[in-house]
Amino acid sequence: SQQGEEDPQALSIQEGENATMNCSYKTSINNLQWYRQNSGRGLVHLILIRSNEREKHSGRLRVTLDTSKKSSSLLITASRAADTASYFCATTDSVYNFNKFYFGSGTKLNVKP
Amino acid sequence: NAGVMQNPRHLVRRRGQEARLRCSPMKGHSHVYWYRQLPEEGLKFMVYLQKENIIDESGMPKERFSAEFPKEGPSILRIQQVVRGDSAAYFCATKTGGAETQYFGPGTRLLVL
Repeated sequence: SQQGEEDPQALSIQEGENATMNCSYKTSINNLQWYRQNSGRGLVHLILIRSNEREKHSGRLRVTLDTSKKSSSLLITASRAADTASYFCATTDSVYNFNKFYFGSGTKLNVKP
Repeated sequence: NAGVMQNPRHLVRRRGQEARLRCSPMKGHSHVYWYRQLPEEGLKFMVYLQKENIIDESGMPKERFSAEFPKEGPSILRIQQVVRGDSAAYFCATKTGGAETQYFGPGTRLLVL
């Protein structure tokens, strides 16, 4: 299965600290994306990194991709209570079906005020 | 510019009844995905459709579940003779043909009594 896996499963930090979440996957990918899900809501797209990119920034978000290790990390700097949510990585096949998305089981982030 | 819409947002059914979940894509989006999410878990791919065609239904249970995306109107996920194990949040996501990112609806929470 291509399904990604995030770790840790849960993370609790104080407001202002940085939060790092990791995602590992199994086969070659076309791109990797990170999504956020607030409790009881749908997923919101955060950032996309392509297989030929190593790092990408968007505001307080920094994503890295290591295709040799088949892993990615999402760093949220200077966290806020509003960042409390579950974070999922999603990958698409590079070869077989780039229209199919595989989601990990998520990291539940709790940012304490 | 409305986003992806799903209705109903909450649905209660008794065992043996039918559940119909609707997804209206964003304007211009012709690709629809359905996912199921159990509490505290990630999203599981169910089916991928384009207008009038099922492209990939590898995640759909073989029985009782069906999906369609007609030429006119919303995409429908239909669950016949529901059982308690069908209780979950069902999300649809849509995109344009060439896009790499999906846009999620708010989900339908199905509760089977």
